[in-house]
Amino acid sequence: AQSVAQPEDQVNVAEGNPLTVKCTYSVSGNPYLFWYVQYPNRGLQFLLKYITGDNLVKGSYGFEAEFNKSQTSFHLKKPSALVSDSALYFCAVRDIGSSGSARQLTFGSGTQLTVLP
Amino acid sequence: DGGITQSPKYLFRKEGQNVTLSCEQNLNHDAMYWYRQDPGQGLRLIYYSQIVNDFQKGDIAEGYSVSREKKESFPLTVTSAQKNPTAFYLCASTPFTGNANYGYTFGSGTRLTVV
Repeated sequence: AQSVAQPEDQVNVAEGNPLTVKCTYSVSGNPYLFWYVQYPNRGLQFLLKYITGDNLVKGSYGFEAEFNKSQTSFHLKKPSALVSDSALYFCAVRDIGSSGSARQLTFGSGTQLTVLP
Repeated sequence: DGGITQSPKYLFRKEGQNVTLSCEQNLNHDAMYWYRQDPGQGLRLIYYSQIVNDFQKGDIAEGYSVSREKKESFPLTVTSAQKNPTAFYLCASTPFTGNANYGYTFGSGTRLTVV
């Protein structure tokens, strides 16, 4: 079975400060990890993904995420937060099942990021 | 531009009515999904389909029905058996499910309100 945990329902950060949104995962095989962002009354937008290779993944809007296999984490980061980054962020994971097909994406519960001016 | 189109954006349902939410994609994706999102909460899977004419129940399928007669279309019907249908509904799709490299592409959602 695969699972994702986002331990913080809410993260507040001042504009210009660095931000981190936490995500930990559990899979039986190699993880394929994703971050999505959702603005109010909109669908989820893809930010970045980790498949293999460098542990630091760069994505859209200046976001990056660090894959840490030993800690089974994939935290989302940005060096300098903007008020416009305020949104709901979802971490997701999938792996390959025993049949050789990819499992469905499993989503975390979401973290509401608020960047204060 | 390729993408997923959900319609309508807002939908109002009277008690006891069935309503159908549309989801169309022109990405040539094999798999399609329906999620329900309640305020301040995460996503819950209602139904999914990996190929035409086949679909599977998700975690909260009771009170919902779907069809997949065409690859590009995956409509969701909210029946009168769904006692608390007020929510934000999201449709998603992904290419061939044999490859885990792909995430999902989402539509912009339909907000359903019972009046």
